[in-house]
Amino acid sequence: AAGVIQSPRHLIKEKRETATLKCYPIPRHDTVYWYQQGPGQDPQFLISFYEKMQSDKGSIPDRFSAQQFSDYHSELNMSSLELGDSALYFCASSRPGGGPGQETQYFGPGTRLLVL
Amino acid sequence: AQKITQTQPGMFVQEKEAVTLDCTYDTSDQSYGLFWYKQPSSGEMIFLIYQGSYDEQNATEGRYSLNFQKARKSANLVISASQLGDSAMYFCAMRELNTGFQKLVFGTGTRLLVSP
Repeated sequence: AAGVIQSPRHLIKEKRETATLKCYPIPRHDTVYWYQQGPGQDPQFLISFYEKMQSDKGSIPDRFSAQQFSDYHSELNMSSLELGDSALYFCASSRPGGGPGQETQYFGPGTRLLVL
Repeated sequence: AQKITQTQPGMFVQEKEAVTLDCTYDTSDQSYGLFWYKQPSSGEMIFLIYQGSYDEQNATEGRYSLNFQKARKSANLVISASQLGDSAMYFCAMRELNTGFQKLVFGTGTRLLVSP
């Protein structure tokens, strides 16, 4: 079965640089979510999109922005990178509502970002 | 605010034995979903099992079952017949379904080590 695709899988950036992470949800999934997982920590919700509109917002820094495109893929743009942004960034997707399991979020493999 | 508590930082189990990973939650929402995810050392986040707050029966998925005790607000994961490949970090997570928020809130995780 098709899974969530994230690119790149690994990324190394310098402080103050920008980064763009991409996410391709499971086919026919209409909602994407972004999470940040710092070393040794649990994932923290950043932002989500449903049908290309922002649907929920968590602890996303103002330096970060995201959007969902007409083909449902999503991009997380990160500017003025800081050392503390080094983390594993997950994208997840879920399918349209109705019935048990609609709420399940399926995660991609993650993008490991290292800021030097 | 919703909260997930996993009190076991680490658990050890011998191969072929069963193990229970504890999870308690706190929410004022009457409708919510509880999830367990597995995170191997490679980093991906793998969905294991889902329990809805109105589900009358405990969820089961192969060797995974969820011991759901609503009055006690606990949702423990039971892994039967442990295998070496079960060694990983396990996260309990919750999503409130009536608030309009879509985020998953995770516990701090339990690291399971399966020994031969």
